[in-house]
Amino acid sequence: QKEVEQDPGPLSVPEGAIVSLNCTYSNSAFQYFMWYRQYSRKGPELLMYTYSSGNKEDGRFTAQVDKSSKYISLFIRDSQPSDSATYLCAMSALTGNQFYFGTGTSLTVIP
Amino acid sequence: KAGVTQTPRYLIKTRGQQVTLSCSPISGHRSVSWYQQTPGQGLQFLFEYFSETQRNKGNFPGRFSGRQFSNSRSEMNVSTLELGDSALYLCASSPYRGSSYNEQFFGPGTRLTVL
Repeated sequence: QKEVEQDPGPLSVPEGAIVSLNCTYSNSAFQYFMWYRQYSRKGPELLMYTYSSGNKEDGRFTAQVDKSSKYISLFIRDSQPSDSATYLCAMSALTGNQFYFGTGTSLTVIP
Repeated sequence: KAGVTQTPRYLIKTRGQQVTLSCSPISGHRSVSWYQQTPGQGLQFLFEYFSETQRNKGNFPGRFSGRQFSNSRSEMNVSTLELGDSALYLCASSPYRGSSYNEQFFGPGTRLTVL
């Protein structure tokens, strides 16, 4: 079993829709939870990170962490064609610098 | 500040050859991590270097190796290439401030194709 599981999609939504992306994990030592966005032929770029449980909002993006269920989510409101990319969840423990990534979900927002 | 740079951007090699990839981290960053990205497996951690020492290593065969220089630049080497080594190799640099969140900044990657 992989430490981080993510539905690869692909996910296709109309412009303006609310998008929900999710990951599950098995390692209870994970304390930092990240969402990266990766455009074609580019490296991943950090969207948001959350420490421990709770919600974090940044503009149209909201990250949620439920440590009791070992489940994290990223919501994108009012999705735009420019949001079309692959979204990767990542996690790490308190100490050390090793990140564990999901396989990524490919999102297409149709104008 | 300049971002993470990786060279070359694209490489085509044949089975059995070896390859060296290079990564220049963001100025001031001392930690460099390497990842292999494939469609089926996603990003898989190869190794991390900090102050010229390998600090963490993922579950890859010994054909994959790396090093870090005193200026924090890093190289990774893959010997005896196999078809399955075809992937995007990503380098990430981090300031690493100990037991706190350390953001990893990714380069654009090197696309390796093994024929």
